[in-house]
Amino acid sequence: ETGVTQSPTHLIKTRGQQVTLRCSSQSGHNTVSWYQQALGQGPQFIFQYYREEENGRGNFPPRFSGLQFPNYSSELNVNALELDDSALYLCANSLGGRQETQYFGPGTRLLVL
Amino acid sequence: GQQLNQSPQSMFIQEGEDVSMNCTSSSIFNTWLWYKQDPGEGPVLLIALYKAGELTSNGRLTAQFGITRKDSFLNISASIPSDVGIYFCAGRLTDSNYQLIWGAGTKLIIKP
Repeated sequence: ETGVTQSPTHLIKTRGQQVTLRCSSQSGHNTVSWYQQALGQGPQFIFQYYREEENGRGNFPPRFSGLQFPNYSSELNVNALELDDSALYLCANSLGGRQETQYFGPGTRLLVL
Repeated sequence: GQQLNQSPQSMFIQEGEDVSMNCTSSSIFNTWLWYKQDPGEGPVLLIALYKAGELTSNGRLTAQFGITRKDSFLNISASIPSDVGIYFCAGRLTDSNYQLIWGAGTKLIIKP
């Protein structure tokens, strides 16, 4: 039990639609990272937010965007969904951005049809 | 992009056996991390390594940071049923910010 929650747990969308995924924050953990984990693969870093500002991004197109709120909770938005966006989306909280101290949520399973 | 080669992809072992898995890369890393992921959950950090040659233990788990800084190894001694899951290595490049590069995972299955 990491104290990080994500919603929804599962989601089905169709190609071209938009989706918003949500992540809670543990108290005081001011950094959130989002990852995409395709079936049978390791997580791939999407981006990181520190104190409401994006401060690092992986190799994902601009249709992947995010927000971090003053209470450090976070959203991941994906526009114009593609079939390859089907994956488990994980968020992870940490203090100050050190990824070895991050705590992962259980993920949101997204299926794009 | 950068890749980590993690092997084996899966392992079928008997309870009580020792387990070994590794990750290799063509790039130099300054940090190696080992995680375990259970079904329906996010990865949980097992061991963090920061120096070439470093050997670190966490209970029955032992991990090593390779001398070349391009590889890392994880050993599990005397496996038990709760060791079942997917083990991931992840590394941080010397010239990166906080971004981690992840392996594809080793799935550990214990034969009944």
